[in-house]
Amino acid sequence: SYEVTQPLSVSVALGQTARITCGGNNIGSKNVHWYQQKPGQAPVLVIYRDSNRPSGIPERFSGSNSGNTATLTISRAQVGDEADYYCQLWDSTSCVFGTGTKVTVL
Amino acid sequence: QVQLVESGGGLVNPGGSLRLSCAASGFIFNDYYMTWIRQAPGKGLEWVSYINSRGGTIYYADSVKGRFTISRDNAQSSLYLQMDSLKADDTAVYYCARDVSYNYYVSGNYYNGHYMDVWGKGTTVTVSS
Repeated sequence: SYEVTQPLSVSVALGQTARITCGGNNIGSKNVHWYQQKPGQAPVLVIYRDSNRPSGIPERFSGSNSGNTATLTISRAQVGDEADYYCQLWDSTSCVFGTGTKVTVL
Repeated sequence: QVQLVESGGGLVNPGGSLRLSCAASGFIFNDYYMTWIRQAPGKGLEWVSYINSRGGTIYYADSVKGRFTISRDNAQSSLYLQMDSLKADDTAVYYCARDVSYNYYVSGNYYNGHYMDVWGKGTTVTVSS
């Protein structure tokens, strides 16, 4: 089965840019989606199909995908962006989630 | 508004059974595929099962294959997960989610993709004696 890897944690200074990676073999050939999950809450879709934002998601959230790495970028990070972030893709007949990255805003 | 509400969770003995339900509202249920996803305490998200809009195509994670059964009732706008032969490892919050299915074209090949655009708040299943 297809495997994806994410860093366990990412720290970012308030107002700076955080980049969360999702690595996988030739992941650029697949569409990657990203979810934000705050403690005690259900996940929320923040990026779909590599780089599209659902309505209501701030423009500060963006995504890219190429080669062996997909990236979620959070610009001008705010305290409210502190959460776990998961990448997700569909592989043949199964859904694959990344291991999740905890983002801390300093 | 678009909403998914799970129910049916609880405490069950190892080897026991439980049936989860997910009530959908605010959208045309039979236009969408649906998915169950779970999250063990302190762990990440794990996909459990998927069912297409008419119930004719179903997939399961290897970890639940042969023990769990997904189904839907479009007339009732409801999704279900029958869980049998439960194990301690099945302890988790179970989320139902609306699944958006689409096709995309990359490097000369067509692929099928899915993402979950609406999630319920989840229902907790605890398997313990």
